[in-house]
Amino acid sequence: QQPVQSPQAVILREGEDAVINCSSSKALYSVHWYRQKHGEAPVFLMILLKGGEQKGHEKISASFNEKKQQSSLYLTASQLSYSGTYFCGTEDPDSWGKLQFGAGTQVVVTP
Amino acid sequence: SQTIHQWPATLVQPVGSPLSLECTVEGTSNPNLYWYRQAAGRGLQLLFYSVGIGQISSEVPQNLSASRPQDRQFILSSKKLLLSDSGFYLCAWLLNTEAFFGQGTRLTVV
Repeated sequence: QQPVQSPQAVILREGEDAVINCSSSKALYSVHWYRQKHGEAPVFLMILLKGGEQKGHEKISASFNEKKQQSSLYLTASQLSYSGTYFCGTEDPDSWGKLQFGAGTQVVVTP
Repeated sequence: SQTIHQWPATLVQPVGSPLSLECTVEGTSNPNLYWYRQAAGRGLQLLFYSVGIGQISSEVPQNLSASRPQDRQFILSSKKLLLSDSGFYLCAWLLNTEAFFGQGTRLTVV
């Protein structure tokens, strides 16, 4: 079952914050986050494996809730380079190896 | 270092023609391999995945098929393309906790 991702799109001004959510109806093995620039392949940002885990790289961070059914990606003090489509990918513990993606969140950061 | 090669980058094919897209991985062994399709402005649709040689799981029962003849090779095929097969096809591999995508093939069926 594909994860449900929200919102579909968000427009930010440089320096503003945004949150992207990814949820599943059952506990997951892991959650991956990717960013895709127009016309390019998605690029891996980070993976979360443990309930309650939080990770970050510079001003982009993510969390995985205790039940491992929801993850959020936080864009803090957004930069123009953050523009793109963000996807969460989930691994179902009942279907080992199956990596499915949400519908994506388009992020546009304006000057 | 691990790399993934996918070709061709672009392809224009007539309706009814066959298709073969190839993806190879270097620098790793026994990776999980994936084929996704992305329609314009849309999400990533999982088509096939493979956890080992000869092991293919199909998510989309259409006129596409996949094969994994070698550990690091994943092939997407079709005997007769449809207009609806147009899209951006992405190969990906997953090893342990990291996943990487190939550069993609933009297929236009005319």
